[in-house]
Amino acid sequence: AQKVTQAQTEISVVEKEDVTLDCVYETRDTTYYLFWYKQPPSGELVFLIRRNSFDEQNEISGRYSWNFQKSTSSFNFTITASQVVDSAVYFCALSEATISGTASKLTFGTGTRLQVTL
Amino acid sequence: DAEITQSPRHKITETGRQVTLACHQTWNHNNMFWYRQDLGHGLRLIHYSYGVHDTNKGEVSDGYSVSRSNTEDLPLTLESAASSQTSVYFCASSESQGSTGYTFGSGTRLTVV
Repeated sequence: AQKVTQAQTEISVVEKEDVTLDCVYETRDTTYYLFWYKQPPSGELVFLIRRNSFDEQNEISGRYSWNFQKSTSSFNFTITASQVVDSAVYFCALSEATISGTASKLTFGTGTRLQVTL
Repeated sequence: DAEITQSPRHKITETGRQVTLACHQTWNHNNMFWYRQDLGHGLRLIHYSYGVHDTNKGEVSDGYSVSRSNTEDLPLTLESAASSQTSVYFCASSESQGSTGYTFGSGTRLTVV
């Protein structure tokens, strides 16, 4: 069975600080997909990134970066120079591939609430 | 533009009543999913479907049912609503080929009194 652990329940930082959100996953599959979603106070789920298990390259998108390490089963998310608008709940999720190689259902972590203050 | 819509956005119902939450997508996605979100649990899978007439149970399926009669819709039915089913419900859809991501609806907040 697959499992996603986000050990940090809540994080508070002051604006402009860097912050890393941890995500550790468990799966027996060799082909899988990892995701991060943002849920702002308005409640919708906003897709941030998808990574497949064969692509361990780190990715940077503006102030966001992701560090995927298969050796430690981790997919951590860093926000550089945080802003108040980054305040949200962030979810890490895992999807195992079906036999045909397509993604199946998502398993979510419990989320990390990030509070960025002035 | 393609979209996924959930209705109603908010619902209050009484214990024991049957309730149906609607999910409609115009992405032409084969895969559709229902999740519930509760504090401390994240999002948990209730039911899912990989195509018309296909339905599968998720980790918290007791007390819920779904049916898939066409590609666009996956209604979620609470057979006899219980207070433990007070939650925020999210519907999602995804392509069956590749994994470009999952599209989520805006959620339905259900309160069972």
